[in-house]
Amino acid sequence: EPEVTQTPSHQVTQMGQEVILRCVPISNHLYFYWYRQILGQKVEFLVSFYNNEISEKSEIFDDQFSVERPDGSNFTLKIRSTKLEDSAMYFCASRTGLEPSTDTQYFGPGTRLTVL
Amino acid sequence: GDSVTQMEGPVTLSEEAFLTINCTYTATGYPSLFWYVQYPGEGLQLLLKATKADDKGSNKGFEATYRKETTSFHLEKGSVQVSDSAVYFCALSRNNQGGKLIFGQGTELSVKP
Repeated sequence: EPEVTQTPSHQVTQMGQEVILRCVPISNHLYFYWYRQILGQKVEFLVSFYNNEISEKSEIFDDQFSVERPDGSNFTLKIRSTKLEDSAMYFCASRTGLEPSTDTQYFGPGTRLTVL
Repeated sequence: GDSVTQMEGPVTLSEEAFLTINCTYTATGYPSLFWYVQYPGEGLQLLLKATKADDKGSNKGFEATYRKETTSFHLEKGSVQVSDSAVYFCALSRNNQGGKLIFGQGTELSVKP
């Protein structure tokens, strides 16, 4: 069964450093998402991406964040200068379309980001 | 704005007990409603979904009915197992807004033998 994959599973970085989190969505999916979950809190939407551009972003997704689909398979989230409060589990998700029959989002296993 | 509210956990049950996890939502129109499950150390897995009023989603013995009149989507299971121990998230999406998911805070379920 196709699945969303994410690398690395755990990333430790120093405050102020840049990190890139990588995701490979399911191959025929068209909509891509990043979410984050701070330990013990709810899962929060960061950004959605369709047709090679951001379709929506939350207030969390400020200028320090960017997303890219560089090669038609990978979907990356970059944090330019990490802060302590960026420590969280980051989930990538993808879906086929927006119709009710295709609107299920499939999640990757997550990348745990620890900022020291 | 849209929001989802779940009953607080943790919920602790004995094996074979009946489970209800309450979920209510605030949204205009007819969002799609979902239950996702997160097993320890893993990502989010879709458990079930419903896309219109009075639809019932079901999977692995779990059920939830989309109640427009009470804006609810409560999760139920008649007889829980130890393997059901996980965190359960209720969520909604509105497809005319790019389909982002809005999650409730999650409810941790612990099932004891």
